[in-house]
Amino acid sequence: QVHLVESGGGVVQPGKSLSLSCGASGFTFSSHAMHWVRQAPGQGLERVAGISYDGSNKYYADSVKGRFTLSRDNSKNTLYLEMDSLRPDDTAVYYCVKDKIMFGGGSSLQQWGRGTLVTVSS
Amino acid sequence: DIQMTQSPSTLSASVGDRVTITCRASQSLNNWLAWYQQKPGKAPKLLIYKASTLEDGVPSRFSGSGSGTEFTLTISGLQPDDFATYYCQQYNTYFLTFGGGTKVDIK
Repeated sequence: QVHLVESGGGVVQPGKSLSLSCGASGFTFSSHAMHWVRQAPGQGLERVAGISYDGSNKYYADSVKGRFTLSRDNSKNTLYLEMDSLRPDDTAVYYCVKDKIMFGGGSSLQQWGRGTLVTVSS
Repeated sequence: DIQMTQSPSTLSASVGDRVTITCRASQSLNNWLAWYQQKPGKAPKLLIYKASTLEDGVPSRFSGSGSGTEFTLTISGLQPDDFATYYCQQYNTYFLTFGGGTKVDIK
């Protein structure tokens, strides 16, 4: 059974930083691309960042490029998202998501964590 | 980035109805399209990938079709558990993008 557990969300002031983590279990973490997808309150879905199975390729939405940094530690089965220069419009639930195919860079999003809420407010 | 447009944004239907949701892409997707269902307060769930392949465990009343830039999700015989919001997502490039969503509510 796949489990994805996000942590690190909370309330942060504009301009500050926050780090999210996602612990994965139940599958071969090092074989799958991983993603962070966010959903602002009452809004749709946005894939903010994705990383290939081996960490060699990373993809960022224009809205976060230069501010967010995605990384993974395959030895610890953990995905990270470092968020800097946070803005109020970064307020959202952030989901950790497992890619469906093996050894790829991004495809359909097969399993989702429960999400962690990030609120950017003064 | 590839832009994804869903229609309608809201759809009112009754149990037993056949429901169709459309998703259009700004460029050809080579069938690299997925559909998701999301219920309030829950994470999305993958329903269909590669435009028409049903994910394991998804009821057969869900089906996907289309090619190129136009795709549809059909629910044949809407069930009470199907009232939710549905999203399409392209993966023709590694810059994954979603449609804006279609909320299916009770008529």
